[in-house]
Amino acid sequence: EVQLLESGGGLVQPGGSLRLSCDASGFTFDSYAVSWVRQAPGKGLEWVSTISASGGSASYAGSVEGRFTISRDNSKNTVYLQMKRLRAEDTAIYYCAKDGVGSWSRSLPYYFDYWGQGALVTVSS
Amino acid sequence: IVLTQSPGTLSLSPGESATLSCRASQSVTRNYLAWYQQKPGQAPRLLIYGSSSRATGISDRFRGSGSGTDFTLTISRLEPEDFSVYYCLQYGDSPTFGQGTMVEVK
Repeated sequence: EVQLLESGGGLVQPGGSLRLSCDASGFTFDSYAVSWVRQAPGKGLEWVSTISASGGSASYAGSVEGRFTISRDNSKNTVYLQMKRLRAEDTAIYYCAKDGVGSWSRSLPYYFDYWGQGALVTVSS
Repeated sequence: IVLTQSPGTLSLSPGESATLSCRASQSVTRNYLAWYQQKPGQAPRLLIYGSSSRATGISDRFRGSGSGTDFTLTISRLEPEDFSVYYCLQYGDSPTFGQGTMVEVK
């Protein structure tokens, strides 16, 4: 059974930093890209970032480029999202999502077939 | 690519059929269009990918169709658990989601 478990969410002041983790199990982790998708309270879904299966390439939404960094440790089956210079508009539930198609080097996602339950990030003073 | 979903809200009764639209601002590469269902407090669930392929375990009451810029999700014989919010996603380019359609009980 595929499982994705996010952790590291919480309350942070504007301008602060936070690192999210996504622990994965139930599939061949190093064969699939993994993404972060967020959802502001009461709003729709927004793709944030994707890292390739190899970890060698990544892509970002324009709204987070230069502030967020995605990484992965294939020995630990874990993906990270380092978030810096956080803004109030970054407040959201952050979901970790597995790519639906195995690809070693592609850094743009295909569709997302499995999702975690999400981690809430609140940016407020 | 901007995805526009319509209608914003669909009010229907159990047993009726629902037709949800997703229109793209430009052609979606290789019809890389997916549909998701999201219930309150839950993560989205994949229903359809590649415009018309049902995900594992999804009922055949859910049917995806369309190509280019116009895509449709049809839900036949609505059951109580189908009343939810539905999102489309294009992944032919930098991925974008539609704003969602809520299917509510009339």
